[in-house]
Amino acid sequence: GAVVSQHPSWVICKSGTSVKIECRSLDFQATTMFWYRQFPKQSLMLMATSNEGSKATYEQGVEKDKFLINHASLTLSTLTVTSAHPEDSSFYICSASLPRRYEQYFGPGTRLTVT
Amino acid sequence: DAKTTQPPSMDCAEGRAANLPCNHSTISGNEYVYWYRQIHSQGPQYIIHGLKNNETNEMASLIITEDRKSSTLILPHATLRDTAVYYCIVRVAYEYTNAGKSTFGDGTTLTVKP
Repeated sequence: GAVVSQHPSWVICKSGTSVKIECRSLDFQATTMFWYRQFPKQSLMLMATSNEGSKATYEQGVEKDKFLINHASLTLSTLTVTSAHPEDSSFYICSASLPRRYEQYFGPGTRLTVT
Repeated sequence: DAKTTQPPSMDCAEGRAANLPCNHSTISGNEYVYWYRQIHSQGPQYIIHGLKNNETNEMASLIITEDRKSSTLILPHATLRDTAVYYCIVRVAYEYTNAGKSTFGDGTTLTVKP
């Protein structure tokens, strides 16, 4: 149990376009999901907390208008990178927790390359 | 959340026990110790967590010192597939508004060698 999937696993897009990444909890409902970004040889950095049915909470320094998060159901959260630029190229990872559990379960990640 | 300190890298021979230390001297009474690992180009994987008692599951054992200022993750029989970055995280117990939120440090890169 506690499987989190992401789609796509990798994507290449041109500068100025938008890219949507999906995060799904496959066998449980997640009222809260988290989005992380990881640059090469660096650790994970939390970008935002996605709450089902309400607005996402962004970490300091993360542009909410650039990284649009939608958590429309208890099993799906989406991250849209708008007007992507080469510096947005990174490994994006989502996570979720089981209700009343402490540990996080992570998706396999999405590698975004902006050319 | 309390800050953690881990060695940047460690080596271990295949089949031997891997002991990964973590210092968390500023841990609070309501903070748990969590361990995750990240194999190259994959999402992190939960390993184990504990509050003050030693814990064991099918993946690893977690030894927490009596004063809770440090802990050790033990992989009893390391295999090549255990080569990964291991993260030690300390955070408060479940809070609805911050459920699952974790701050990742640099971790320890464990290399298991044949």
